[in-house]
Amino acid sequence: GAGVSQSPRYKVAKRGQDVALRCDPISGHVSLFWYQQALGQGPEFLTYFQNEAQLDKSGLPSDRFFAERPEGSVSTLKIQRTQQEDSAVYLCASSNRGQGDYGYTFGSGTRLTVV
Amino acid sequence: AQSVAQPEDQVNVAEGNPLTVKCTYSVSGNPYLFWYVQYPNRGLQFLLKYITGDNLVKGSYGFEAEFNKSQTSFHLKKPSALVSDSALYFCAGRYSGSARQLTFGSGTQLTVLP
Repeated sequence: GAGVSQSPRYKVAKRGQDVALRCDPISGHVSLFWYQQALGQGPEFLTYFQNEAQLDKSGLPSDRFFAERPEGSVSTLKIQRTQQEDSAVYLCASSNRGQGDYGYTFGSGTRLTVV
Repeated sequence: AQSVAQPEDQVNVAEGNPLTVKCTYSVSGNPYLFWYVQYPNRGLQFLLKYITGDNLVKGSYGFEAEFNKSQTSFHLKKPSALVSDSALYFCAGRYSGSARQLTFGSGTQLTVLP
């Protein structure tokens, strides 16, 4: 597609529920990133994929967070047993390393509210 | 540690006046620096980037930024502000080396007053 698509746009989860957030990057983009943006804060890095390989997951806040990109395109961020502190906007970005322009295109995000 | 700082949470400017949104960075190598803008309930929109070359970078919507290595700054500027420029602005850096993710500042809310 023309841009990075994220779904759902909004998600309300009860505390303890599992959620799955989807990111559809720009076609052909090798790199994919997940960020967490708390209210009033800058985005914080969660994890990075190069094709299907998860090369960096140092930003995942706990073992309740899990991300995958099995075929090197669509990615899913899963949060198990959600907690109130997980409430945030989750942003996905993709980048085409091959072009060397270092551009990052962000999706509109998924706003997760844990109640 | 690599970091990006935006020292002002809020900047107010009158329409038609020049605007500056400040950003400083700390880095152990050569930084790649970016500015993004975020409107309410929207994702981040790219404005401009500095990778190498000319220190003055021109970007979208009339914005520009100057990379100043001696002051480790990358301030965003626009000669004449518009009310529609009111938004949340983020400076971000990526550092040469193995890490590929962006590190963001805390953001500056720009309000342009009519």
